[in-house]
Amino acid sequence: DAGITQSPRHKVTETGTPVTLRCHQTENHRYMYWYRQDPGHGLRLIHYSYGVKDTDKGEVSDGYSVSRSKTEDFLLTLESATSSQTSVYFCAISSDRDYGYTFGSGTRLTVV
Amino acid sequence: GENVEQHPSTLSVQEGDSAVIKCTYSDSASNYFPWYKQELGKGPQLIIDIRSNVGEKKDQRIAVTLNKTAKHFSLHITETQPEDSAVYFCAASIQGGSEKLVFGKGTKLTVNP
Repeated sequence: DAGITQSPRHKVTETGTPVTLRCHQTENHRYMYWYRQDPGHGLRLIHYSYGVKDTDKGEVSDGYSVSRSKTEDFLLTLESATSSQTSVYFCAISSDRDYGYTFGSGTRLTVV
Repeated sequence: GENVEQHPSTLSVQEGDSAVIKCTYSDSASNYFPWYKQELGKGPQLIIDIRSNVGEKKDQRIAVTLNKTAKHFSLHITETQPEDSAVYFCAASIQGGSEKLVFGKGTKLTVNP
């Protein structure tokens, strides 16, 4: 979708293991976001980035960290996965303020 | 912080009827209000948006209205078709721009043939 790719698309991992999800864009957009989607909760912001090495927390950031060393890549890391982090994770990009987001296809993560 | 309430959570209509989804927001500084459509197994896709200096915007069968005084905005779909069946999300910007969005919890729309 519009030059944004998430990997992997599906992952099953064990409780306590570290997990890294990748978001890659070819649009050279400044802003990148990680959301999680859960039934009954809609889309909730985990972390976002407004430039290389510039990141900030969202409303549900506990247990997650991010890194952005290049404009095109935004990584989301679960340091020690828990069952409550089972979810569908979406990355989004935005070119500038006041522009709508473009979402990736999502990563379905299951923590067992 | 910003809070976005969306109603109804589910909506079932007959093909050809109209569908209306409503959202309210709490932050009077919000000035950007997009709507997203999410089909099964896919990411949300922007279908229409409106800014605070506009009261209504139309794009073919889809329209969005905004009432800044009451802090609510609505999505209107006319002449619904089965392919309109999806989950729809409203959102509102925080910190005065679309740098961050807060989403409603979604409305599952089913259009029955």
